[in-house]
Amino acid sequence: EMQLVESGGALVQPGRSLRLTCAASGFNFGDYAMYWVRQSPGGGLEWVAGISWKSDNIDYSDSVKGRFIISRDNAKNSLYLQMNSLRPEDTALYYCAKDRGYPPAMDVWGRGTTVTVSS
Amino acid sequence: IVLTQSPATLSLSPGERATLSCRANQNINNYLAWYQQQPGQAPRLLIYDASYRATGIPARFSGSGSGTDFTLTISSLEPEDFAVYYCQQRHTWPSLTFGGGTKVDIK
Repeated sequence: EMQLVESGGALVQPGRSLRLTCAASGFNFGDYAMYWVRQSPGGGLEWVAGISWKSDNIDYSDSVKGRFIISRDNAKNSLYLQMNSLRPEDTALYYCAKDRGYPPAMDVWGRGTTVTVSS
Repeated sequence: IVLTQSPATLSLSPGERATLSCRANQNINNYLAWYQQQPGQAPRLLIYDASYRATGIPARFSGSGSGTDFTLTISSLEPEDFAVYYCQQRHTWPSLTFGGGTKVDIK
C-alpha cells in the first residue's frame, strides 16, 4: 500500500524555522515528482512547492518563495520542507502528495502535519 | 493562473445531479484535475486531465471541458459524495494552482 506520513509540525514563534519531513513507502519514491500542499484552518487548499523526481525542476508559490526550500532524498524515501522566516499566515495543515506520473496529478496524500506560527 | 469555482455552495438531495464549475483566467488546455475532500480527511484525486477518472473512482463522477471552462458532474449523489470539491491546474507545472472549492451539502 502506498503511504505518505508527514512529521515535524509544531507551534513556533514568528521568524523562526521549522523542517517538515514526509516519509514515503509502498512505491518507488525516486520515480515520482512530489508536492507540499497546505490548508489553513477553515480554508481551501494551497499548493506550496513541487519537486521533480531528480530534483532538477523545483518551484514555489509566491507566498513562500525565498523563505521555504523543498528537497528530497531518494535513498531515504523522504521529502522535506525547510520553512524559514515563518509568519502567522503560514499557520496550516501541511500535506505532502505524490505525483501520479504523466499526466501529473496528486494521487496519494498523507494525513498532514500541523504548523502553528504564533507568539 | 487563477481558477474560480462556482457555486461556492451547492445544496442538493441524495440522488440528484450535481454540476460544479471551474473557470481559468487563461487557456490551460485540458490540464485540470478535480479532488474531493471529506471533513477531517486528506483530498482524494477524482479526475485528471479534465476527463480521465482516477483509479477506483466511480463512474457517476465525470469531468469535461477544455481551454478555460471545466465541469465536474456527479450524476446521482450518494451520501458519501457530500464534501468539498477542488479543481487544480497543471498548465504551469511544477507550479500548480487550486480553485477556492465548492461545498456540496445536503439540502
